[in-house]
Amino acid sequence: DSGVTQTPKHLITATGQRVTLRCSPRSGDLSVYWYQQSLDQGLQFLIQYYNGEERAKGNILERFSAQQFPDLHSELNLSSLELGDSALYFCASSRVGGSSGSDTQYFGPGTRLTVL
Amino acid sequence: GQNIDQPTEMTATEGAIVQINCTYQTSGFNGLFWYQQHAGEAPTFLSYNVLDGLEEKGRFSSFLSRSKGYSYLLLKELQMKDSASYLCAVRDSNYQLIWGAGTKLIIKP
Repeated sequence: DSGVTQTPKHLITATGQRVTLRCSPRSGDLSVYWYQQSLDQGLQFLIQYYNGEERAKGNILERFSAQQFPDLHSELNLSSLELGDSALYFCASSRVGGSSGSDTQYFGPGTRLTVL
Repeated sequence: GQNIDQPTEMTATEGAIVQINCTYQTSGFNGLFWYQQHAGEAPTFLSYNVLDGLEEKGRFSSFLSRSKGYSYLLLKELQMKDSASYLCAVRDSNYQLIWGAGTKLIIKP
C-alpha cells in the first residue's frame, strides 16, 4: 500500500458524459501527478500540481482538466468522453514535486474507466 | 527530443538471471528510476540511481553509466511473481520524469 488513495476503483459511463476522478496523496506529499494508461500501453503523463498550483503539463486533452485543493487532494475531470478515453488513470504523489533529483513518485491503485 | 529505449518484451526461466536494459537521451540528467508494474496494477518503485555504478537491493540490482546514457535492471533467482512490466524513467534538467514504454518480462517454469 503506497498511501495514495484513488476513488472510484471502477467507472463505467457512456460517450459524451463527464466524470470526476479523485486522488488523495500520501501524508506529507505536496505534489500530485495524473497519468493515463491505455491497454498494453505505456504511462502517459497528463498533468502535475504542486501545493495547489499547476507545475507541469503533458499530453492532456482540452476536454480534460484537473485541480489540487487546499487539503492537497486532487480531482481529474474528463468531459465529452469518447471510446478512446477508456483506460486506467493513475494518480501519483511525491514530497517536493521533483525539485530534488531523488524525489520519488508513489502511485495510487488507479481508476479503471470504461466508456461505452 | 527526449527518448528512452527499452526492449518491448523479454522471456526468462524461473530461477535464472535476467538483465533489462534502458538507454536514454534526455536534456540533462537528474537521476534514473526503475518501477515494477504487474498487469492492471499500479507501478511500484524499485530503485533510484544518480551516480555511476551498481546499487543492490536483495534479488534486484540497478546499474547506471551516465557517460553512456545507459542503465540496466538485474533480476536474480527469478520467481514466477517477477512476471511484470519494468519501467525505466529519467529525471531531466527541468526535473520532469521522462518515462520509457516499459519491458514486459515473462517468466517460464
